[in-house]
Amino acid sequence: AQSVTQLDSQVPVFEEAPVELRCNYSSSVSVYLFWYVQYPNQGLQLLLKYLSGSTLVKGINGFEAEFNKSQTSFHLRKPSVHISDTAEYFCALNTGFQKLVFGTGTRLLVSP
Amino acid sequence: GAVVSQHPSRVICKSGTSVKIECRSLDFQATTMFWYRQFPKQSLMLMATSNEGSKATYEQGVEKDKFLINHASLTLSTLTVTSAHPEDSSFYICSASRDPQETQYFGPGTRLLVL
Repeated sequence: AQSVTQLDSQVPVFEEAPVELRCNYSSSVSVYLFWYVQYPNQGLQLLLKYLSGSTLVKGINGFEAEFNKSQTSFHLRKPSVHISDTAEYFCALNTGFQKLVFGTGTRLLVSP
Repeated sequence: GAVVSQHPSRVICKSGTSVKIECRSLDFQATTMFWYRQFPKQSLMLMATSNEGSKATYEQGVEKDKFLINHASLTLSTLTVTSAHPEDSSFYICSASRDPQETQYFGPGTRLLVL
């Protein structure tokens, strides 16, 4: 069975500092990988996705992620965070025909 | 574009009653809608997948008679929690997509508390 692990439940960081949110997955077949963001009282919004091709994927709001097949990772990065990036971030993989398996989420807390 | 709404955003009900949650795609036609459940500090768990005009496909371990899903139109799907019990208290999130190859667009969720 496929699974997604987000090791950090919470990541505190100061404004304008870089951040990396970690995501590891387990699957015996090829996967599609996604990062979603959830702001308070809002739905999940797609940040970026890896389907195939270049392993470095750029998304919205200055985020990017790198697919590493050998390490089964898909870490999310941003070189300089803003207060407005404070939110819950979910990594997910596609098990085929849109069935998404989610990680437990990482809460990013950006302080001044 | 691609906005999905849910109603209500929060509901409190007594044990034994039924609760209906609506999921609407506001600016697109959703051929497929998904219902998820999220416990505190846990993953979103897929409950069922519904296609307009056909019966929902439930995930293993999800009671079909407990969680009734209807996808009567291309913009509306409903989840009814029948004879709710306190253990049904959770955060329910829906998503919708325009076609099988499309990204899922998520609603804001509905928090259900059963007393």
